[in-house]
Amino acid sequence: DGGITQSPKYLFRKEGQNVTLSCEQNLNHDAMYWYRQDPGQGLRLIYYSQIVNDFQKGDIAEGYSVSREKKESFPLTVTSAQKNPTAFYLCASTRRGAYNEQFFGPGTRLTVL
Amino acid sequence: SQKIEQNSEALNIQEGKTATLTCNYTNYSPAYLQWYRQDPGRGPVFLLLIRENEKEKRKERLKVTFDTTLKQSLFHITASQPADSATYLCVHGSGNTGKLIFGQGTTLQVKP
Repeated sequence: DGGITQSPKYLFRKEGQNVTLSCEQNLNHDAMYWYRQDPGQGLRLIYYSQIVNDFQKGDIAEGYSVSREKKESFPLTVTSAQKNPTAFYLCASTRRGAYNEQFFGPGTRLTVL
Repeated sequence: SQKIEQNSEALNIQEGKTATLTCNYTNYSPAYLQWYRQDPGRGPVFLLLIRENEKEKRKERLKVTFDTTLKQSLFHITASQPADSATYLCVHGSGNTGKLIFGQGTTLQVKP
């Protein structure tokens, strides 16, 4: 059953702590993306990767880091440098190139206490 | 900068009517637009893609139009059902990187 998974679904973090969100896909997609969604706003791109061992900053990369050591995995670390990390985080994947639909995971809701 | 705008006010319609959602873009000419559906607390799901050289695209009860003169795309759901209630996102793709620019979405509520 092909798809994209994210874990955990809900995550609570204390201020000053780093936290890593998991994203895995078995669709054999080359490209993967991380988005942040805040209430009443559209999705904003944090980081994206088109191939293994390569990734680029999106529009709001500050305070976040990623790695792409395997094709199927693209974890996102929210560092203590991110000033307002409470949000809904979405991971997506797609085949490389334009005109392709993105497949989204179920999301992780991060709350900083 | 490139910007996509959707009506932020929720759209409330009666079951059986046609819902029409609007997407306007400024400062650029997208090669294509995509429409996604998002249910509360879930990831978006792809619905349709329309290219700049296509005037209209249909899929079952869905229809999308693309007017490059007006810089606008319209998304229609005919014979709407309560199950169509969701937020609909208009999205533009940027170049060959697969990067997408999202509108803020319009929430549709279909009342029985």
